[in-house]
Amino acid sequence: DQQVKQNSPSLSVQEGRISILNCDYTNSMFDYFLWYKKYPAEGPTFLISISSIKDKNEDGRFTVFLNKSAKHLSLHIVPSQPGDSAVYFCAASAPGNKLTFGGGTRVLVKP
Amino acid sequence: NAGVMQNPRHLVRRRGQEARLRCSPMKGHSHVYWYRQLPEEGLKFMVYLQKENIIDESGMPKERFSAEFPKEGPSILRIQQVVRGDSAAYFCASSPLDGDPYEQYFGPGTRLTVT
Repeated sequence: DQQVKQNSPSLSVQEGRISILNCDYTNSMFDYFLWYKKYPAEGPTFLISISSIKDKNEDGRFTVFLNKSAKHLSLHIVPSQPGDSAVYFCAASAPGNKLTFGGGTRVLVKP
Repeated sequence: NAGVMQNPRHLVRRRGQEARLRCSPMKGHSHVYWYRQLPEEGLKFMVYLQKENIIDESGMPKERFSAEFPKEGPSILRIQQVVRGDSAAYFCASSPLDGDPYEQYFGPGTRLTVT
């Protein structure tokens, strides 16, 4: 039962352009959403988060959008840089703290 | 301020042996979480602990797996009688007592290989 889904396993984008990563969820109890970035052989690194009471949160080049009615969130990276090449995980939390992760999207930013 | 520490980084065990994975949370953090990542999959929650208490173990397999977070020392994830299917990356995360518990900070992981 996949409660958090990232339907695109990979994404390739040119340096300087926008990267858009998508995530869908099914559990309406989720009230907090996070994006993590992961390099090989390292742990996930927290990027940005959004509470369910908001529809947008921005931090530098990273913006997360939440559409509660569609149970959909997205991460925009503008402009994309080669160092952004990594696997990105969407995660969601209901009260109780544990995170439910999507399967990840591998991003490749081409110079 | 050191991040979340995990050791060992790599662990090789033969089938039937025991595996012990250790996690030291970030300074000032009193919530510890363990997640498992199978190859080509996302992370799956296993257990959530506070000092001397298991808060949520809904993701732990019913047998062979146990976790603790003692008053002193690191959190330990213990896998008894390992099988090949236990081969995975095991990540520990921590979050502060005060502040946002949702923002969990991850360690580098322990890669367990069962031969």
